[in-house]
Amino acid sequence: EPEVTQTPSHQVTQMGQEVILRCVPISNHLYFYWYRQILGQKVEFLVSFYNNEISEKSEIFDDQFSVERPDGSNFTLKIRSTKLEDSAMYFCASSEFRDPNEQFFGPGTRLTVL
Amino acid sequence: AQSVTQPDIHITVSEGASLELRCNYSYGATPYLFWYVQSPGQGLQLLLKYFSGDTLVQGIKGFEAEFKRSQSSFNLRKPSVHWSDAAEYFCAVGGPSSGNTPLVFGKGTRLSVIA
Repeated sequence: EPEVTQTPSHQVTQMGQEVILRCVPISNHLYFYWYRQILGQKVEFLVSFYNNEISEKSEIFDDQFSVERPDGSNFTLKIRSTKLEDSAMYFCASSEFRDPNEQFFGPGTRLTVL
Repeated sequence: AQSVTQPDIHITVSEGASLELRCNYSYGATPYLFWYVQSPGQGLQLLLKYFSGDTLVQGIKGFEAEFKRSQSSFNLRKPSVHWSDAAEYFCAVGGPSSGNTPLVFGKGTRLSVIA
């Protein structure tokens, strides 16, 4: 069964460093998303992406964040200068054109900022 | 604005007992409703969804949920809980299928199962 994959599973970085979180959505999906979950809190929407541009973004998704689809398979989230409060689990999700509301989630990348 | 409330932070049930996890939502139009399960250190797995039609929906792992528009609720139920059901459960609401509306999640309910 097709699934969303994410790498790495765990990333540790120093405050102020840049990180790139990678996702491979399901191959025939056209909508892509990033969500995050701070430890013990609810899952929060960051950004959605369609047709090579951002569709919608939340207040969390400030200038420190960017997304890119560098090729036909990868979808990345970049944090330019990490802060302690960026420590969270980051989930990538994708959905298909016919049913964009059914989002399939990856296993997540746990980001720890020291 | 859309919102989801899961009133119970933590529920403990005995193995074999029935389960009901509560979810209330706020949404201006017909909602798209979901229940996801998250095992420790794992991602989010879709249990079931409601878009339209029959208000009682069946999902995986023996779960079901009932959409009650009058109560703005979408409670998750299982008649007999197994120890492997211990996990975090999230209710979520989405928008119309014309666009890729972000999901709004509740804070989750942690389910513990005791022997």
